[in-house]
Amino acid sequence: KAGVTQTPRYLIKTRGQQVTLSCSPISGHRSVSWYQQTPGQGLQFLFEYFSETQRNKGNFPGRFSGRQFSNSRSEMNVSTLELGDSALYLCASSFGGFNQPQHFGDGTRLSIL
Amino acid sequence: DQQVKQNSPSLSVQEGRISILNCDYTNSMFDYFLWYKKYPAEGPTFLISISSIKDKNEDGRFTVFLNKSAKHLSLHIVPSQPGDSAVYFCAASRNTGNQFYFGTGTSLTVIP
Repeated sequence: KAGVTQTPRYLIKTRGQQVTLSCSPISGHRSVSWYQQTPGQGLQFLFEYFSETQRNKGNFPGRFSGRQFSNSRSEMNVSTLELGDSALYLCASSFGGFNQPQHFGDGTRLSIL
Repeated sequence: DQQVKQNSPSLSVQEGRISILNCDYTNSMFDYFLWYKKYPAEGPTFLISISSIKDKNEDGRFTVFLNKSAKHLSLHIVPSQPGDSAVYFCAASRNTGNQFYFGTGTSLTVIP
């Protein structure tokens, strides 16, 4: 069974640019969540999509946005990149019900120069 | 506001001994708790979970204990193996949503 696939694995951008990250969930999973991981901060929740609708949102500025397609694939977009956006961005999928574990992809390492 | 805390950034244990990783939380509404293991350059891998209606859950060498009154959970690994060396994250969620709150992780080193 294929796991969660994130593309690209690595990305280098400069300040002010925008970036789009992609996530393909495990087959059958309808929920996709995005997290930002920085050193010492653990995983910070960005947002969750379920059936093409944003169901939960963390405390990140509006420069961070996402969407989900009818096949449950999801994209995350960050506009006007800042140096502080350098991080590992992780995507996780689940069936979407409560009290079910999320399964993670290997992440996209975003570096801002 | 860090609602899930792992106060030990690192832990070293001899192979064959018990590893105990600890996690504290502040939100009494959390009712589902999980542990993940993360190797470098990989995403977190789900290990084990526990619902708030239980105080213990076992899966092979891994056991999670939940103390709701103390808002504390722990992961026991017995016996510890060198392959267990990784960063361990605890996470929690409420039954009203699918949003997970993660701790900052504990780096476990199992010494052969």
